[in-house]
Amino acid sequence: NAGVTQTPKFQVLKTGQSMTLQCAQDMNHNSMYWYRQDPGMGLRLIYYSASEGTTDKGEVPNGYNVSRLNKREFSLRLESAAPSQTSVYFCASSRTSGHTTREQFFGPGTRLTVL
Amino acid sequence: QKEVEQDPGPLSVPEGAIVSLNCTYSNSAFQYFMWYRQYSRKGPELLMYTYSSGNKEDGRFTAQVDKSSKYISLFIRDSQPSDSATYLCAMSGDDTGRRALTFGSGTRLQVQP
Repeated sequence: NAGVTQTPKFQVLKTGQSMTLQCAQDMNHNSMYWYRQDPGMGLRLIYYSASEGTTDKGEVPNGYNVSRLNKREFSLRLESAAPSQTSVYFCASSRTSGHTTREQFFGPGTRLTVL
Repeated sequence: QKEVEQDPGPLSVPEGAIVSLNCTYSNSAFQYFMWYRQYSRKGPELLMYTYSSGNKEDGRFTAQVDKSSKYISLFIRDSQPSDSATYLCAMSGDDTGRRALTFGSGTRLQVQP
């Protein structure tokens, strides 16, 4: 089992460029998440998808869009990248009981630099 | 004030020491508690998962939850240089009104050979 995979591993963008970060999981989890991690800020939730066909905003959604393509895949799009979006991006998945997430499993991350 | 507080460290200990890592939280609705280990330039890896109060042991690792004090701990016995990483606590609950985990900001641990 690969668990949670993310592509690309690294990316450098210029301000105003767009890109899509890809995430896939093979654990048959219903819920998937996108986080960003910045020094001193911990992990902050950008968007999540509780189940296929649904998406909801997290703590820091501005400047991002998401697509839950199917049960396995959840993508994050930056339409017009800004230097403030320089960060490490993690995708995660979990089984969900009712409305509550339990343990989440993380991908290896994408290091994004916006110049 | 953050909902989950965690000392950022770094915490430096000699090999073989017992390490204690801690988080405090303010939301009494949290009932599921996790510890993640994150090596440099890697994704967080789930170490321990506990429900409600009590202890859970897995090899050299013990997780403790004291809901009355809103305090959770991770103990590492016989620490090894390979334990050098950032440790993140995380929690969730049925009545928090949110579907994602709430994380501490992480404690950086260095185990000196």
